[in-house]
Amino acid sequence: ETGVTQTPRHLVMGMTNKKSLKCEQHLGHNAMYWYKQSAKKPLELMFVYNFKEQTENNSVPSRFSPECPNSSHLFLHLHTLQPEDSALYLCASSPLLSGGGETQYFGPGTRLLVL
Amino acid sequence: SQQGEEDPQALSIQEGENATMNCSYKTSINNLQWYRQNSGRGLVHLILIRSNEREKHSGRLRVTLDTSKKSSSLLITASRAADTASYFCATDRGNAGNMLTFGGGTRLMVKP
Repeated sequence: ETGVTQTPRHLVMGMTNKKSLKCEQHLGHNAMYWYKQSAKKPLELMFVYNFKEQTENNSVPSRFSPECPNSSHLFLHLHTLQPEDSALYLCASSPLLSGGGETQYFGPGTRLLVL
Repeated sequence: SQQGEEDPQALSIQEGENATMNCSYKTSINNLQWYRQNSGRGLVHLILIRSNEREKHSGRLRVTLDTSKKSSSLLITASRAADTASYFCATDRGNAGNMLTFGGGTRLMVKP
C-alpha cells in the first residue's frame, strides 16, 4: 500500500456516459497528478495540482475535467469519451511541487474501458 | 518527444541471474528515478539518483548515471521470480516543478 487509493478500480462506460474517477491520498502531500497509461505508449502526464491549484494541463482534451477540492482528493470527470481513451488512469502524489527531487507515490489505477 | 527510453523493451532471465536495464534521455536533468510496476498496478518508486551522482545502491539494486552520455542503468542482482515486473525510468528536469517524464519501460520476466 502506497497511501494513495483510487476508485473505482475498473470502469466500463459508453461513449455517452458521464463518470468520475476518484483519488485520495493519506500522506499529507500537497501535489497530485493524473497520468494515462495506454498499451504500448509511455506513461503520459495529464494534469498536475499543487496546493489545490492546477499547474499543468498537458494538452488534454476537454472531455477530461479534473477537480481538486483539497490537497487530499483529486477527481477526474469523464464525459463523451472515445474508445481510444480506454487505458489505465493512475493518480500520484508527492510532498511538494518544489522543483525537483520528489518521489511520486502512485495509486493502483483505474482500468477504464470505453465501448 | 519521449524523454526516457528503456532498453531492452523485454528481458527474460533465470532466477539468480542479474538483470540490467538501460535508459537514455535527451535533455539535461535534475534527477532520474526508477519505478517498478506489477502488471496492471500502480508504480512503485525504487531509487532516485541526482545529476551530480554517478552511482547509487539500494539492497539488490544498483543504479548508475552518466550525464555525458545521457544514460542510466538499473542492475538487479541475484534476481527472484518476484522481481518480474515492468521497470520505468523517469527524468525530472527540475525546471517545471516535480514533473516526471517516463520512458516506455522494460518488461522483466524472471523464471523460477
